[in-house]
Amino acid sequence: EVQLLQSGAEVKKPGESLRISCQGAGYTFSNYWITWVRQMPGKGLEWMGRIDPSDSYADYSPSFEGHVTISVDKSISIVYLQWSGLQTSDTAIYYCARVMGGGPGFDSWGQGTLVTVSS
Amino acid sequence: SYELTQPPSVSVSPGQTASITCSGDKLGGKYTCWYQQKPGQSPVLVIYQDNERPSGIPERFSGSTSGNTATLTISGTQTMDEADYYCQVWDSSTAVFGGGTKLTVL
Repeated sequence: EVQLLQSGAEVKKPGESLRISCQGAGYTFSNYWITWVRQMPGKGLEWMGRIDPSDSYADYSPSFEGHVTISVDKSISIVYLQWSGLQTSDTAIYYCARVMGGGPGFDSWGQGTLVTVSS
Repeated sequence: SYELTQPPSVSVSPGQTASITCSGDKLGGKYTCWYQQKPGQSPVLVIYQDNERPSGIPERFSGSTSGNTATLTISGTQTMDEADYYCQVWDSSTAVFGGGTKLTVL
């Protein structure tokens, strides 16, 4: 069974750094891109970017480029999403999802990580 | 940037057919996916490549595309189908989601 297990909820102050994680299991990790999706409180889904675990190539939505970094450690099947300077507007649930092979959808999702940024 | 437009809400009676639309420029030239999200849960892929169902998704879920509009159809809607639904496409290596539609079954 394909599983994406995300790290736990975080509470941070504005300006702080943060890295959250997403660990894949039950499939060949390097064969599938992983994507990150943001959902602000009471709002819809927003695509942030994706990474190819086989070569660490990442690309981003213009809305998020320069504000977050997506990275991978394929030796332990983990993808990371990190911020170097959080803002209160980063308060949201962040989901990782697997990009399905041979198709354009996201076929398996993590349970989500709630990030709260407050002074 | 590319935009997808969905109605904010759709209502349907149990057992009836629900249709949720998603419109975007030249949408017919892209593959549309649909996701279901229930409160407090992660999204679930219910349709990919316009009209394909992942394994485990009930047959009552179907998708179609015509011109600039994609449609998710739920036949014989059940109360368990009450959820938010999002369409999604890829445009120039960027994934785009629609704003979401709240389906109410009453």
